[in-house]
Amino acid sequence: SQQGEEDPQALSIQEGENATMNCSYKTSINNLQWYRQNSGRGLVHLILIRSNEREKHSGRLRVTLDTSKKSSSLLITASRAADTASYFCATDGRGTSYGKLTFGQGTILTVHP
Amino acid sequence: DAGVIQSPRHEVTEMGQEVTLRCKPISGHNSLFWYRQTMMRGLELLIYFNNNVPIDDSGMPEDRFSAKMPNASFSTLKIQPSEPRDSAVYFCASSPLPIMGVLIFYTFGSGTRLTVV
Repeated sequence: SQQGEEDPQALSIQEGENATMNCSYKTSINNLQWYRQNSGRGLVHLILIRSNEREKHSGRLRVTLDTSKKSSSLLITASRAADTASYFCATDGRGTSYGKLTFGQGTILTVHP
Repeated sequence: DAGVIQSPRHEVTEMGQEVTLRCKPISGHNSLFWYRQTMMRGLELLIYFNNNVPIDDSGMPEDRFSAKMPNASFSTLKIQPSEPRDSAVYFCASSPLPIMGVLIFYTFGSGTRLTVV
């Protein structure tokens, strides 16, 4: 079963705007990761945040993690048409050995030029 | 490194036929994962290997599915006999083994789109 639940399921914005996607999960985690999937392609790792971190930045990406609420958000600033893709959160659960990731259902982001 | 290599990219087969999907992980990665992606169920973990040993195959839907990893550079996922409901995109991913304090992420292949008619 999918542990992560992304919200919204779909997001449509104009180029230059910011895009925020949320992820909720159920069990305690070691870390949470975000992946991107372009149509017809495999998933690509974007950013990883540890359970003891609250915020992380990478270029135009900003990820927050609230372990008390079991939720994370991914912010893409100054979006571009090339950011159009599906975005997935994935969790590596505590007590789960060997780095098995469980993925959410994903958010489909469309950035209009 | 060429990344995770999957073959074939597309496979169309008739119901009842045997299908074999192949994966070459990144050299040095000790963990290998097979996922299935459909619109209805999203990404499902089917099975994963550590150091060529199957660790968890609880996601394998039925006995019709089997996976092997005979060596560190090759894995197969076999469906026999195939059914139309097996139609999906099958992804292989690899990663280094997790070690205390060492963070890991997956590298995915481009997937095999399977259509069973």
